[in-house]
Amino acid sequence: DAGVIQSPRHEVTEMGQEVTLRCKPISGHDYLFWYRQTMMRGLELLIYFNNNVPIDDSGMPEDRFSAKMPNASFSTLKIQPSEPRDSAVYFCASSLSRYRSGANVLTFGAGSRLTVL
Amino acid sequence: RKEVEQDPGPFNVPEGATVAFNCTYSNSASQSFFWYRQDCRKEPKLLMSVYSSGNEDGRFTAQLNRASQYISLLIRDSKLSDSATYLCVVTPNTNAGKSTFGDGTTLTVKP
Repeated sequence: DAGVIQSPRHEVTEMGQEVTLRCKPISGHDYLFWYRQTMMRGLELLIYFNNNVPIDDSGMPEDRFSAKMPNASFSTLKIQPSEPRDSAVYFCASSLSRYRSGANVLTFGAGSRLTVL
Repeated sequence: RKEVEQDPGPFNVPEGATVAFNCTYSNSASQSFFWYRQDCRKEPKLLMSVYSSGNEDGRFTAQLNRASQYISLLIRDSKLSDSATYLCVVTPNTNAGKSTFGDGTTLTVKP
């Protein structure tokens, strides 16, 4: 298994530009999560999906952030327009259903390091 | 008060030392507990789950105290390769997706 795959690994952009981060979860995992990590705030849950449906987006900072999961093997996190304070590492993670062995164990992708100038 | 709080660290210990980390959680409905390890500029990776009866994996021992709402991680005979940030993770049974991460404790093992 290739694990959770994220792209791009690094993104440098200018304030005001649109940023799209992509994630392919592990095949068979029912849950997909988007986290953001900064030195100041640690690891924060932005949004998560169960069976492609957004369940909780209360961690999304503001309307500039949006996430979609059009099918079981793909999700995007979009920031439009981007701001310098959005600079962070964005992790995607997936896990199995809570009713299956190994539930609640998160497998993370390598992350997308975003720098907004 | 944060939902999950960890010893701030950093912990700097010599090789071979025993070191312990504590983590407290505020949600009494929490049901699943984990320790993750994160190396510098890498993603968090599962180190071990934490069970009510306590569990051991080689040099690592995890304990859970539900009454006091804390979990611990003990590392014996520490190695240079143990240097990393250790994250405490708590998940409520009522909302399987809502895992909360502590801010992490940084361990540096020195020769």
